[in-house]
Amino acid sequence: TQLLEQSPQFLSIQEGENLTVYCNSSSVFSSLQWYRQEPGEGPVLLVTVVTGGEVKKLKRLTFQFGDARKDSSLHITAAQPGDTGLYLCAAADYGGATNKLIFGTGTLLAVQP
Amino acid sequence: NAGVMQNPRHLVRRRGQEARLRCSPMKGHSHVYWYRQLPEEGLKFMVYLQKENIIDESGMPKERFSAEFPKEGPSILRIQQVVRGDSAAYFCASSPVLDRYNEQFFGPGTRLTVL
Repeated sequence: TQLLEQSPQFLSIQEGENLTVYCNSSSVFSSLQWYRQEPGEGPVLLVTVVTGGEVKKLKRLTFQFGDARKDSSLHITAAQPGDTGLYLCAAADYGGATNKLIFGTGTLLAVQP
Repeated sequence: NAGVMQNPRHLVRRRGQEARLRCSPMKGHSHVYWYRQLPEEGLKFMVYLQKENIIDESGMPKERFSAEFPKEGPSILRIQQVVRGDSAAYFCASSPVLDRYNEQFFGPGTRLTVL
């Protein structure tokens, strides 16, 4: 069974601080996505990474895919209260008949003003 | 371009009743996925469909659950004889193609409560 472990599970920080969330697995994936989910809503896609070592930036968010395509990190610079939410990594193994996503355990982030 | 639509957003059923959850994918998307998010658990894959075909139902419970994506109309997730353990948020996602980017776009979900 493929598993995606995220750490930390919970994170409460002050506005302006930096943080990093990790997503780890023993399996190799062809792509990895990061989503943010707010209470009562569905996950919203933030980024997709497909190449080992790839780094993508989205304003204050930096995403990295591990060289071996088994892990990923999300770094937020100068966090703001609007960044509060549940961050989920999700991975798929393209090549089969399905592209079902395997989701990580989630990181619940609270940014205090 | 409207996003993925799901209805109802909230559904209350008594034990033994049937629940029907509907999902309209984004325009131009022919791949539909259903996921379930149980309280205190992560999102789990249930089923993957294309028009008129179930491609992968490896995550569906063997009994009481079924899904369809007809030629016309929305995809339907049907739960017969609901039990309290079916209470969860059910999400539908759609994607335009089957490629290595595998980008799936999620709807707002249907929150099912079984009394």
